[in-house]
Parts: sequence; structure tokens; C-alpha cells
Amino acid sequence: EAGVVQSPRYKIIEKKQPVAFWCNPISGHNTLYWYLQNLGQGPELLIRYENEEAVDDSQLPKDRFSAERLKGVDSTLKIQPAELGDSAVYLCASSLYSGGSYEQYFGPGTRLTVT
Amino acid sequence: DQQVKQNSPSLSVQEGRISILNCDYTNSMFDYFLWYKKYPAEGPTFLISISSIKDKNEDGRFTVFLNKSAKHLSLHIVPSQPGDSAVYFCAASAKYGGSQGNLIFGKGTKLSVKP
Repeated sequence: EAGVVQSPRYKIIEKKQPVAFWCNPISGHNTLYWYLQNLGQGPELLIRYENEEAVDDSQLPKDRFSAERLKGVDSTLKIQPAELGDSAVYLCASSLYSGGSYEQYFGPGTRLTVT
Repeated sequence: DQQVKQNSPSLSVQEGRISILNCDYTNSMFDYFLWYKKYPAEGPTFLISISSIKDKNEDGRFTVFLNKSAKHLSLHIVPSQPGDSAVYFCAASAKYGGSQGNLIFGKGTKLSVKP
């Protein structure tokens, strides 16, 4: 079974430029998450999708961040414009909710460097 | 205020001995707890979980213990192997409420197993 796929793995951009990250979840997983991980910290949720619907985007900085999950499968996270403080690892995860089990499976992440 | 705390940033253990990683939480609504392992340049990998209706869950060399009254859980690895060297994240989730299913992570503990 293929795992969560993310691209690109690494991205270096100048501040004020736009950037986009792509995620393909595990086949059949209806729930998709985007996390932000800063150095020395645990992952922090940005947005959670159930199928096509963003059910929790309370932690997404909506002035510069946006996300979409068309057709309830792949998802894209965008930052426009990027700031120096956005340098971090962006992780995508997916899960198949099964009544009390909340295991999430993570992709390798995209390491963003904003210069 | 951190809801999930891993107070030891690092732990060093000799190969073959027991590794004990600790985690404390503050939110009494948490009812499901997970441990993830993370190697450099990879996403977190699910290791083991425990529901609040249990106080122990075992999977091979890995055992998680939950003490609800103390709001404390621990991960035991016996025997420890050099390949276990990684950062271990504790995560918690609540079954009810607007954040149902969302994972709250600790900052991680870096385990080094020396041959």
C-alpha cells in the first residue's frame, strides 16, 4: 500500500513569493490534515478535511495561507506571500476514521526555506 | 499553554536496556493517545496507541502505559536497539468536541541508543 505522497520535498523561495505544496493521501482515507512543524517542536495542525469539506481551519492563517481538496482526494496548500517566519516543514497526513481509532499516517513533508 | 508535554528533550540508553519515554497531558477530555517515531528528513511514523479505557497496550518490544489519574503516559522499549534512535512524539486526541480526532503533539524526545 502506497503511503502519503508529498511534493516537492524541498523548496527555497525569496520572501513575498508564492509557494504551493501538494499532497496525495493514502487511497481510501477520507480525512486529510496539513501540519506545520517548526524546528524542535511537534507538528501543529493547520487544517483538516473530511472528504472535500474543511471541517477545522481555525489554526490556518487565512490572510496568507489557503488550501483546497478538490474531489476529496489530493490537496494543495498555498502561501502567498511567503514570509521569513514561514520557514518550516509542512506535513500532510491522512486517516480513515474508524470509530475511536485516530491513527494518522504522515507523508515525508516539504521543507520550506524562505530567504 | 502546552496541553501535551514531553519534559525530557533527550534520552541516551545502552543497547539492550530499557528505554522509558514520558509524556504528561493537561486536558481531561483527551481519551486517545499515540506515540510516533520520527527519523531525520522523514515524516512521523505511527508506533503504538492506547485508548483511555485501557491502562496498558503492548506491541512487540513497545509497551505504552496510561495513568489517567496522574494524566501521564509512558512508552517502554525493551530491549532497546540502535535502530530505535529517533525523535519520539507523544500525541493526544479527544473523542468529542469541535476538535474531535485532531492530534495535539508534544515537542518530542530524542532517543539515542548506543551500541
